Amino acid sequence: QVQLLESGPGLVKPSQTLSLTCTVSSGSIRSGGYYWTWIRQPAGKGLEWIGYIYTSGSTNYNPSLKSRVTISLDTSKNQFSLKLTSVTAADTAVYYCARGYPGNNFADSWGQGTLVTVSS
Amino acid sequence: EIVMTQSPATLSVSPGERATLSCRASQSVSSNLAWYQLRPGQAPRLLIYGASTRATGIPARFSGSGSGTEFTLTISSLQSEDFAFYFCQQYINWPPVTFGGGTKVEI
Repeated sequence: QVQLLESGPGLVKPSQTLSLTCTVSSGSIRSGGYYWTWIRQPAGKGLEWIGYIYTSGSTNYNPSLKSRVTISLDTSKNQFSLKLTSVTAADTAVYYCARGYPGNNFADSWGQGTLVTVSS
Repeated sequence: EIVMTQSPATLSVSPGERATLSCRASQSVSSNLAWYQLRPGQAPRLLIYGASTRATGIPARFSGSGSGTEFTLTISSLQSEDFAFYFCQQYINWPPVTFGGGTKVEI
């Protein structure tokens, strides 16, 4: 069964760039036609879909974050990554990586999540 | 953007009781609706997709129903591990995929 694990700094200063990586194990990131996805949850709030990268490398982002988000793929390491620029306190959240089901966009596997706090 | 609304925000139930959670979409999503369970410190888990299809390994006490704009997740007999947050998600119209605000099931 595929496993996903987020990694990256837990503290980012305002106006800087948040960078996270998701390592996928027990399955190749190149196969299956999945949507490799990032989702976040601010404390006490609901889930927010950030976007995905397809195995071909094409991306799709939440319009509300599109100007600040980049999701990329590193097939040699079986990883995909998230970069979010110009962060503010509003970007403080638990960030999850997930695998979106082919042809649809529900997430059938998730990482445990990593808390990122934006603070000086 | 399709807005998903869940109710109630908090549901207080006892072990062994039935729990009924609701999710409403601002426009029809047909059957393109998923339910997830979130427990602190654990990876979220897909419970239901296609509004009523249980995901692999999900116990039969979890069931989903509905189509269009009104959906229900039912937990027939609550076990201790079922006390958690539950979110619905539409995936017919994206970007963006959108989630409901969640329901906390507590003792």
